[in-house]
Amino acid sequence: NAGVMQNPRHLVRRRGQEARLRCSPMKGHSHVYWYRQLPEEGLKFMVYLQKENIIDESGMPKERFSAEFPKEGPSILRIQQVVRGDSAAYFCASSPQGGKTEAFFGQGTRLTVV
Amino acid sequence: AQSVSQHNHHVILSEAASLELGCNYSYGGTVNLFWYVQYPGQHLQLLLKYFSGDPLVKGIKGFEAEFIKSKFSFNLRKPSVQWSDTAEYFCAVKGDSWGKLQFGAGTQVVVTP
Repeated sequence: NAGVMQNPRHLVRRRGQEARLRCSPMKGHSHVYWYRQLPEEGLKFMVYLQKENIIDESGMPKERFSAEFPKEGPSILRIQQVVRGDSAAYFCASSPQGGKTEAFFGQGTRLTVV
Repeated sequence: AQSVSQHNHHVILSEAASLELGCNYSYGGTVNLFWYVQYPGQHLQLLLKYFSGDPLVKGIKGFEAEFIKSKFSFNLRKPSVQWSDTAEYFCAVKGDSWGKLQFGAGTQVVVTP
């Protein structure tokens, strides 16, 4: 059973471009979480999704950021018109359900905005 | 709003010393508690978890944690650390009634030979 797969592992974008980060959850997992990690700031929750539904997006910036988890295919975190402050490691985690289950993390995508 | 506090941002200790990392959360309902570890350059891995039952939980690599409900705490312990325990440690909380996994700021632990 493959783990949570994130790609790309490293992504370089120029200011103003779009960044698309992909996350394939573990087989059988229908819940996906996205987190952003900045040095010295720990993990910041961004969004929690189930298949075709956004359950909690309280951590998502109001502009430029969006996320989806379609019925088929990976979850996508999309950042439009990237700025230098978007440079960070973005981690995805998945779980089979909410509540009493652990989340399994992917290797992360390191986004660098130049 | 729910929150998770980790008391120390950086801890430096020698091999064979004992380690205790504090974690407190603010939420009055039923919670599920986790400790994750992130080794340099790697993704987060689960050390241990508490859902219910015995409040003293044993995890991998000799780690354990104790859930004290009255103190809203879930402290992590290891009696004797090794150099390979150098990593960042994250406490996380997920309530039964809300799905997101809320993390503390993390504690960077450095173990010197």
